[in-house]
Amino acid sequence: SAVISQKPSRDICQRGTSLTIQCQVDSQVTMMFWYRQQPGQSLTLIATANQGSEATYESGFVIDKFPISRPNLTFSTLTVSNMSPEDSSIYLCSAGGGADNQPQHFGDGTRLSIL
Amino acid sequence: LAKTTQPISMDSYEGQEVNITCSHNNIATNDYITWYQQFPSQGPRFIIQGYKTKVTNEVASLFIPADRKSSTLSLPRVSLSDTAVYYCLPRRGNTPLVFGKGTRLSVIA
Repeated sequence: SAVISQKPSRDICQRGTSLTIQCQVDSQVTMMFWYRQQPGQSLTLIATANQGSEATYESGFVIDKFPISRPNLTFSTLTVSNMSPEDSSIYLCSAGGGADNQPQHFGDGTRLSIL
Repeated sequence: LAKTTQPISMDSYEGQEVNITCSHNNIATNDYITWYQQFPSQGPRFIIQGYKTKVTNEVASLFIPADRKSSTLSLPRVSLSDTAVYYCLPRRGNTPLVFGKGTRLSVIA
């Protein structure tokens, strides 16, 4: 199964700044996704990171706020832009799935606190 | 993807078998059922996946009846380290997983 590494694992940021979260997968994968999880809550899908094209965002999430890059089949970044305290959350990268019935795997997340 | 319903929480004593049932009345023909486990400060971890009947691995068993409107995750002889949130999720091809609230399992000594 794919091993997913995220950096940083946690950060404390000032409001108005931006932070880029990196996600590295140890094997080539077709599908990569970004989720958000508030403490004690379930995961919410932010977007699908498409290799070679723009990400596909879910309702309530926009590219200007959460730009995503997917330069190749093993790497993706999520930027949280112009942060406010409401952006304090855990951001998780996921990879896998697809038509061959392989399960999706998850990184351990980036815990972000905005002051 | 089909909406799922599972108990919000369950308690169990160590050594007991735990069965968590999930209902998914509107599951589509080509959807699989997957179960994930999540510990605090970790991402969800894949446990098991099935389409119909019974699937067993080294961690759990998954029972899916013929009508596929529900599924039951069975954890044999739980220990304190099985305390976690368990998610039941329909899965279809390239469609990303959509998480419900999950079941918070507390194992008591």
